[in-house]
Amino acid sequence: ETGVTQSPTHLIKTRGQQVTLRCSSQSGHNTVSWYQQALGQGPQFIFQYYREEENGRGNFPPRFSGLQFPNYSSELNVNALELDDSALYLCASSLDHRSTNYGYTFGSGTRLTVV
Amino acid sequence: GEDVEQSLFLSVREGDSSVINCTYTDSSSTYLYWYKQEPGAGLQLLTYIFSNMDMKQDQRLTVLLNKKDKHLSLRIADTQTGDSAIYFCAESSGTYKYIFGTGTRLKVLA
Repeated sequence: ETGVTQSPTHLIKTRGQQVTLRCSSQSGHNTVSWYQQALGQGPQFIFQYYREEENGRGNFPPRFSGLQFPNYSSELNVNALELDDSALYLCASSLDHRSTNYGYTFGSGTRLTVV
Repeated sequence: GEDVEQSLFLSVREGDSSVINCTYTDSSSTYLYWYKQEPGAGLQLLTYIFSNMDMKQDQRLTVLLNKKDKHLSLRIADTQTGDSAIYFCAESSGTYKYIFGTGTRLKVLA
């Protein structure tokens, strides 16, 4: 059973550029959530996708957008990058969208640096 | 509003017990979790507790929940150097998101 895989592991972008981060969910999981973890902080919820639809969103501007594909993999897109977008982006998958009682399985994250 | 707070640092000697504390504000929290993050890695689920429980034990880990005070603790017995990491408390009201604390960095001294 494979876990959650994210790519790339590290990325450097210039302010104003756009970036796409990718996530493959754990086998059997139909729900993917994305979190942003700034240095020295806890993860902050960005949004969740369930069966290709956005199922909930945190306090992030519209330039953060996502997709989920039929195989439940997912992408996080960020437009017009700002320096404050520099962070570790974590993808997490779960068995069920309604309740978090199963717990998430997290990937190792993508470290994004905006210069 | 929703908020989860943790102390930033804890240092213990190898073999001692570690106790990491967490307070939360959301009275509708249904599930509370402890995650471990090692350098350069994602988050690993250690254990969780339902809000109708007071205590949960899982090998070296003991979770205590005081729902009245909205206080959660994680006790690690016989702490080892491999336990050095950042520990995050998180709460959920059963909806789609977790609220994480800022993490407690545990340093285990040999």
